[in-house]
Amino acid sequence: GAVVSQHPSWVICKSGTSVKIECRSLDFQATTMFWYRQFPKQSLMLMATSNEGSKATYEQGVEKDKFLINHASLTLSTLTVTSAHPEDSSFYICSARDRTGSSYNEQFFGPGTRLTVL
Amino acid sequence: GNSVTQMEGPVTLSEEAFLTINCTYTATGYPSLFWYVQYPGEGLQLLLKATKADDKGSNKGFEATYRKETTSFHLEKGSVQVSDSAVYFCALSDRGGGGADGLTFGKGTHLIIQP
Repeated sequence: GAVVSQHPSWVICKSGTSVKIECRSLDFQATTMFWYRQFPKQSLMLMATSNEGSKATYEQGVEKDKFLINHASLTLSTLTVTSAHPEDSSFYICSARDRTGSSYNEQFFGPGTRLTVL
Repeated sequence: GNSVTQMEGPVTLSEEAFLTINCTYTATGYPSLFWYVQYPGEGLQLLLKATKADDKGSNKGFEATYRKETTSFHLEKGSVQVSDSAVYFCALSDRGGGGADGLTFGKGTHLIIQP
């Protein structure tokens, strides 16, 4: 149990286009999901906290108009990178928080999405 | 702000060797501390955690003790196996503790265990 999926696992796009990344909790309901970004040989950096049915909370320095987050259901959050540029190329990882059972409050991570902007 | 510093790899050991991966942190409050492991092609998995000073987290033969005096949370295992080869991330959360909110991660340490 407690599986989180991401789609796509990798994507290549042209500069100026928008890319949507999905994060799904497959077997539990997640009222809160998190989006992280990881550069090569760098830490995972929290970008935003996504709460079901409300606006996302962005970390300092993260452009909310650039990285649109929607958490429309208890099992799905999406991250849209708008007007992508090469500097947006990175590894994007989501996590979902399970509020139930023995794993209360634990975050479960997706496998990540590799974005390359040409 | 918060930060986590962990030894950079890759760390290469022989099977059955003793493992230590150092992790130190800086936090404004009283953080909870975590070790996550990422096996090739998979997402991060929680390995162990400690929520207050002097707590010891343990799982799968790994253990780490929350040392407030040295702001450290070093990961140890007495006898590693080839299957332990993975990337290990030290992390902290200081927004209410218990892993409730966004995490601050170290850069990760790539561990390679040779037969």
